[in-house]
Amino acid sequence: DIQMTQSPSSLSASIGDRVTITCRSSQTISRFLNWYQQKPGKAPKLLIYGASTLQSGVPSRFSGSGSGTDFTLTINNLQPDDFATYYCQHSYITPMGSFGPGTKVEIK
Amino acid sequence: EVQLVESGGGLVKPGGSLRLSCAASGFTFSDSWMTWVRQVPGKGLEWVGLIKSESDGGTTDYAAPVKGRFTISRDDSKNTLFLQMNSLKTEDTAIYYCTTYTIFGPVIMVWTFDVWGQGTMVTVSS
Repeated sequence: DIQMTQSPSSLSASIGDRVTITCRSSQTISRFLNWYQQKPGKAPKLLIYGASTLQSGVPSRFSGSGSGTDFTLTINNLQPDDFATYYCQHSYITPMGSFGPGTKVEIK
Repeated sequence: EVQLVESGGGLVKPGGSLRLSCAASGFTFSDSWMTWVRQVPGKGLEWVGLIKSESDGGTTDYAAPVKGRFTISRDDSKNTLFLQMNSLKTEDTAIYYCTTYTIFGPVIMVWTFDVWGQGTMVTVSS
């Protein structure tokens, strides 16, 4: 099984900050990596697929990069609406693509 | 508006059964692959199972922890997805989400959990 890890598990940031979240897979997954955002009490929402392609309607301050085993989600100019938990998920082996443990972005 | 609405959650004793439903609207349900994903409150996300569209064979696949106990089915005439859960265990306690399972391209073809319902809580406890 491919295991996904994320770092940090949580972070505190201020409005306007640039935030970077890292996701690592236990074996190479090319660019078969998705990112989801989940707000408290809500369902997850697809943000980025294929490591770097923004889902329709997602603000351009979000970006994704990486390939192989190391991936990054970057949020530029952090907004109040961005405080949430972010999950990476691989789709290299479908449909059993596992999720990372999540990174909670909190207000400093 | 594309929408998924789950129902059927509740409290059940260990060893019991429960059937969840997911009503779909705003898209062509019969063409869609569908999944169930669960989340222990405050914890991470776990894929539960998948059902393909009938045109793609209608076959199912399940995560190891639920294989043999859970069954996914669909009624395309009613745009509804089901999850039959039998022999429930305390560790099945979670919020259960239904999702579409959609492939996106064009550079590489990536499967994603695209549209999510609001979730329904299942509590397995004596």
